[in-house]
Amino acid sequence: QSALTQPPSVSGSPGQSVTISCTGTSGDVGAYNYVSWYQQHPGKAPKFMVYGVSKRPSGVPDRFSGSKSGNTASLTISGLQAEDEADYYCCSYAGSYTYVFGTGTKVTVL
Amino acid sequence: QVQLQESGPGLVKPSETLSLTCSVSGNSISSYYWSWIRQPPGKGLEWIGNIYYSGSANYNPSLKSRVTISEHTSKNQLSLSLTSVTAADTAVYYCATFDYHDQGFDNWGQGTLVTVSS
Repeated sequence: QSALTQPPSVSGSPGQSVTISCTGTSGDVGAYNYVSWYQQHPGKAPKFMVYGVSKRPSGVPDRFSGSKSGNTASLTISGLQAEDEADYYCCSYAGSYTYVFGTGTKVTVL
Repeated sequence: QVQLQESGPGLVKPSETLSLTCSVSGNSISSYYWSWIRQPPGKGLEWIGNIYYSGSANYNPSLKSRVTISEHTSKNQLSLSLTSVTAADTAVYYCATFDYHDQGFDNWGQGTLVTVSS
């Protein structure tokens, strides 16, 4: 069970859009529509942002959207805001009641 | 929203057992599924395991031989035990509720740092 692969960092100016990729295998991301995303500010616990590939929990702005194609899931942040600067992690069901996280991506707002 | 608070020794010696507790307030522990997740300093998140109703648990294959997650309903607490620790087990340990329908970790504790060192 290897960690899902994410780019170490992405950046964008306020108002722009950024997309974070999350690449797994046919045994995790590719096999199930159970990809979730988490936002983590420095020194804080992660926050649940997206589930079921593209669904948002109550209270999460619709600027955050998820998608999936094959073995790669993506999180897009539209209309980037200063408070979106954080680390983001994807997570996927990997079969047999196990889960695997991504390597994490630091989003920088320029 | 249920409140979660992790606690335990901040320092554990190599080869010993790491034991942590997650205290739950605001609702019964039996109303939820539970997870433990850890994060080494400066690194990413790692899923440790889940526990479901009736005490059925599933673990990360890489940790399965060393980890036990238990529920203590009378105390409204969750526990984590990790045996034979090494420096690689140094991390912030989080407990979280697991939404089985949405397949996500939807509510997290603040985490507790455990350092493995002699």
